[in-house]
Amino acid sequence: QQQVRQSSQSLTVWEGETAILNCSYENSAFDYFPWYQQFPGEGPALLIAIRSVSDKKEDGRFTIFFNKREKNLSLHIKDSQPGDSATYFCAASWGNYQLIWGSGTKLIIKP
Amino acid sequence: DPKIIQKPKYLVAVTGSEKILICEQYLGHNAMYWYRQSAKKPLEFMFSYSYQKLMDNQTASSRFQPQSSKKNHLDLQITALKPDDSATYFCASSPGTGGSDTQYFGPGTRLLVL
Repeated sequence: QQQVRQSSQSLTVWEGETAILNCSYENSAFDYFPWYQQFPGEGPALLIAIRSVSDKKEDGRFTIFFNKREKNLSLHIKDSQPGDSATYFCAASWGNYQLIWGSGTKLIIKP
Repeated sequence: DPKIIQKPKYLVAVTGSEKILICEQYLGHNAMYWYRQSAKKPLEFMFSYSYQKLMDNQTASSRFQPQSSKKNHLDLQITALKPDDSATYFCASSPGTGGSDTQYFGPGTRLLVL
């Protein structure tokens, strides 16, 4: 049973568009949701994270929208660039328990 | 300077052999992890260590054994290698093992088992 689910294995958008990556989760106890970005040949790196007390977190062109009632969240990448092409992992945790990872969405930005 | 060193970068092994993957972190972190990534499983958590003690093991097979000789080292010994073990193995570290502690990943060791 997947506790953190990323519905799209891959997503292609044109340069300049807003890319929207979706994530849903099962455990209502989860209270911390990071997104990690992974470029080919590298390890994942933290991109942006949100806590369940907030419904939105913004960092430059990257925004997380969080819906606690629906148990889902999305990562919006505004004005997407070819350099944003990467795999994005949604993850979740609560308390001192370890991160639970989604299966990742491979994002391709077409110039 | 790289903060997390994984050696070797590439590794080719024959079925049935044994290999050790090296990981050292220079971030002063107390927790270290091993993950595996392959085409079949995008990012699979294997082990977590805190202060050199095993905290969590999600690897069913005893062929995978982490070894922590120093606080900033967490090596991964793999015995009786199988072609299915072919994957990229990532080491990571974080200040603590809390779920909200940011994990920092190394560059990975790409293992190919023939």
